[in-house]
Amino acid sequence: AQRVTQPEKLLSVFKGAPVELKCNYSYSGSPELFWYVQYSRQRLQLLLRHISRESIKGFTADLNKGETSFHLKKPFAQEEDSAMYYCALNTGTASKLTFGTGTRLQVTL
Amino acid sequence: DTEVTQTPKHLVMGMTNKKSLKCEQHMGHRAMYWYKQKAKKPPELMFVYSYEKLSINESVPSRFSPECPNSSLLNLHLHALQPEDSALYLCASSQDWTAGANVLTFGAGSRLTVL
Repeated sequence: AQRVTQPEKLLSVFKGAPVELKCNYSYSGSPELFWYVQYSRQRLQLLLRHISRESIKGFTADLNKGETSFHLKKPFAQEEDSAMYYCALNTGTASKLTFGTGTRLQVTL
Repeated sequence: DTEVTQTPKHLVMGMTNKKSLKCEQHMGHRAMYWYKQKAKKPPELMFVYSYEKLSINESVPSRFSPECPNSSLLNLHLHALQPEDSALYLCASSQDWTAGANVLTFGAGSRLTVL
């Protein structure tokens, strides 16, 4: 069965420091991976997806099939990046997203 | 309109009550979802409707009964719930449910408390 692992429950960084939120998945086929974000008092929303290969709010994520990872990175953290981040995996043809347990990013001054 | 709207925002019910959660979207999305999210846990899929037909039921107890009256509306009927069913219930929609068209737009959720 597919599984998504986010090893850190909480990641605390200083403003301006680099950020890396880790995500590893287990799936033997071709995965479709996403990062969803939930800011305080806001709804869960898509941050980025691997097939788009785009940068959103300065965040990027590269799918590494060899390491089965999809880590989320940003070179310089901002206060407004503080939120809960969920890595999610979609397998097969149907939209059955499996979410990781989430990492809370805390950016402090 | 690019939102998924859920009502009510909060619901408190007894174990013998019957209540419903409602979800609405006007983005022309043809797939709609119910997720359950317990505190400090990730969302867990409950049901998927595609083109108004139930496509996925993740072995959800029958005390939860979904309904999709039309392509814009999704209901979740609740009956004889247990206290452990207390959670945030999230509705989501996507353009379609096939790979490549399945970016989910989530509602703000309905927070359910079962006494």
